[in-house]
Amino acid sequence: QSVLTQPPSLSAAPGQKVTISCSGSFSNIGNSYVSWYQQLPGTSPRLLISETNNRPSEIPDRFSGAKSGTSATLAITGLQAGDEADYYCATWDGSLASMVFGGGTKLTV
Amino acid sequence: QVQLQESGPGLVKPSETLSLTCAVSGASVAFDYWTWIRQSPGKGLEWIGLVSDNGSSNSDSGSTKYNPSLKTRVTISLDTSKRQFSLKLRSMTAADTAVYFCARDRGDGGLDSWGRGTLVTVSA
Repeated sequence: QSVLTQPPSLSAAPGQKVTISCSGSFSNIGNSYVSWYQQLPGTSPRLLISETNNRPSEIPDRFSGAKSGTSATLAITGLQAGDEADYYCATWDGSLASMVFGGGTKLTV
Repeated sequence: QVQLQESGPGLVKPSETLSLTCAVSGASVAFDYWTWIRQSPGKGLEWIGLVSDNGSSNSDSGSTKYNPSLKTRVTISLDTSKRQFSLKLRSMTAADTAVYFCARDRGDGGLDSWGRGTLVTVSA
């Protein structure tokens, strides 16, 4: 059971927009930055979003992050076949004094 | 370009201690936070802990934070002279079978550089 809750799977058609949710609590998302990772099959995770809504320069602007209260979201617009992957949210939990991950969302395009 | 490379045994016997090393190139381990994460087969990511340089003159040192669920069994250390950091996980069981990744945390919680990961299997 993960501290952060994500939908196990989502699917959408190419070109569409999808939003992946990440639900936490006051001790984690409510008080910390959120990061998002993409993991293609058989590869290491890749940082998509840091500090809740900052995108590394190499990440396309189709990916965006947001937070409201104790929940965060990752939005992906203009879906492509290459976006089919597992997506994870993560943040620091002050009560646990530990970084925590969501359980992951498998995106099918 | 920052590169991280994990090394260590692919097979560990139950009750033994796992020792992994992460070699860092393209960055100084004297800065940032150096992290271990693992992923059990078909499962999600689990943060193990991190180490950062505490400024001690001892090149083999560091400040650490650990996952509470693993805290009693894990030690992460930093060797600035060798530009590497290490993981030791004691009393291994089958539940510790996983791909172990090392990664860099810039301090904002974003793990921006990852190793390729190394599969560790616990079996007699």
